[in-house]
Amino acid sequence: GENVEQHPSTLSVQEGDSAVIKCTYSDSASNYFPWYKQELGKGPQLIIDIRSNVGEKKDQRIAVTLNKTAKHFSLHITETQPEDSAVYFCAASKGGASGGSYIPTFGRGTSLIVHP
Amino acid sequence: NAGVTQTPKFRILKIGQSMTLQCAQDMNHNYMYWYRQDPGMGLKLIYYSVGAGITDKGEVPNGYNVSRSTTEDFPLRLELAAPSQTSVYFCASSNLGLAGTKNIQYFGAGTRLSVL
Repeated sequence: GENVEQHPSTLSVQEGDSAVIKCTYSDSASNYFPWYKQELGKGPQLIIDIRSNVGEKKDQRIAVTLNKTAKHFSLHITETQPEDSAVYFCAASKGGASGGSYIPTFGRGTSLIVHP
Repeated sequence: NAGVTQTPKFRILKIGQSMTLQCAQDMNHNYMYWYRQDPGMGLKLIYYSVGAGITDKGEVPNGYNVSRSTTEDFPLRLELAAPSQTSVYFCASSNLGLAGTKNIQYFGAGTRLSVL
């Protein structure tokens, strides 16, 4: 089955700095890669996603890049703010023409701490 | 829309007791899921359902049972609770069309369970 590795497990930055979280996956047939943000005491919430036919996607201060050859994808947060502090999860799934049921495999999570 | 509602929010069980974690969604989603989240371990899939009357095992199903008699409800049953089932449990739902789309999951706020 799919295996998703996520690094680092903890990331501490100063407000205004950039933060990068990296994930690798094992199944070359995976074709959908979402990122979820989990605030304290809440369930995860989708913040951005990318399909395998796209190399990069941006949404304001967040962006995701995908390298299919190397089987890794990354979340980039620029101009970090204290409200970005949360646990971030990457995931990989496959479905459609690739087969599979779109059930995602999650990474272990990264705890991002943004210091004011 | 309330989204995905989980009850209870907290529960303490004694070893050997049984309980049902409730999950309801009002978005008419066909897919529903149960995950457990342990510190530093990410989200592990327990069971999932692709529609009423259909359920399937995930990565860690032992000690749990589910049923899906309606589109809205997906209860998780713990029989003979054990300390290893101490965790935070999340229910999620998503809507996948016949043509296959991005699997965007919507999570509940979680149930924190302690087995002592």
